[in-house]
Amino acid sequence: AQRVTQPEKLLSVFKGAPVELKCNYSYSGSPELFWYVQYSRQRLQLLLRHISRESIKGFTADLNKGETSFHLKKPFAQEEDSAMYYCALYNTDKLIFGTGTRLQVFP
Amino acid sequence: ETGVTQTPRHLVMGMTNKKSLKCEQHLGHNAMYWYKQSAKKPLELMFVYSLEERVENNSVPSRFSPECPNSSHLFLHLHTLQPEDSALYLCASSQDLAGGLRNEQFFGPGTRLTVL
Repeated sequence: AQRVTQPEKLLSVFKGAPVELKCNYSYSGSPELFWYVQYSRQRLQLLLRHISRESIKGFTADLNKGETSFHLKKPFAQEEDSAMYYCALYNTDKLIFGTGTRLQVFP
Repeated sequence: ETGVTQTPRHLVMGMTNKKSLKCEQHLGHNAMYWYKQSAKKPLELMFVYSLEERVENNSVPSRFSPECPNSSHLFLHLHTLQPEDSALYLCASSQDLAGGLRNEQFFGPGTRLTVL
């Protein structure tokens, strides 16, 4: 079955530290993967998608088919990165979301 | 207003009430979605509509009844809800259901529902 796993509910780091939010997926075929973010009092929004191979707000995510992972990384965390992050997998006609990881960046 | 709007933003209802949630998208999209967001299950897909036709019903109880009269509007009709249905209900839209760049979902702010 298609599934997205985010093993960490909460990740706390200090400003300037590297960040890695883990995402693993199970999917038979070529996956399309996304990261969505929800800042406090803001609506859920797309952060980045793997097919665009982009860096948004300093975040990158590389699809590793061998490890079935799509971890989100940023070399130096900022306080404004504090938010809820969801990994998502596109499947036919819908997105399958992981359970989310709350990132807290302390000053 | 641009993007995806939802009304009301907050709703308190008793278990015997009937109410409706409204979602409107101003993006010219063809697909719309209802999600339930709660502490126990952060994002649960409930329904998917494409060109006003329901294409997904994710084992949602019949006390939730969606309606999509046109591609810009989506309703969620509620009746005889339970306290465990209290949650944030999110609406989203996308250009269509295809892959690639066309399925980026744009979310509304949500309706915070409390069932007493």
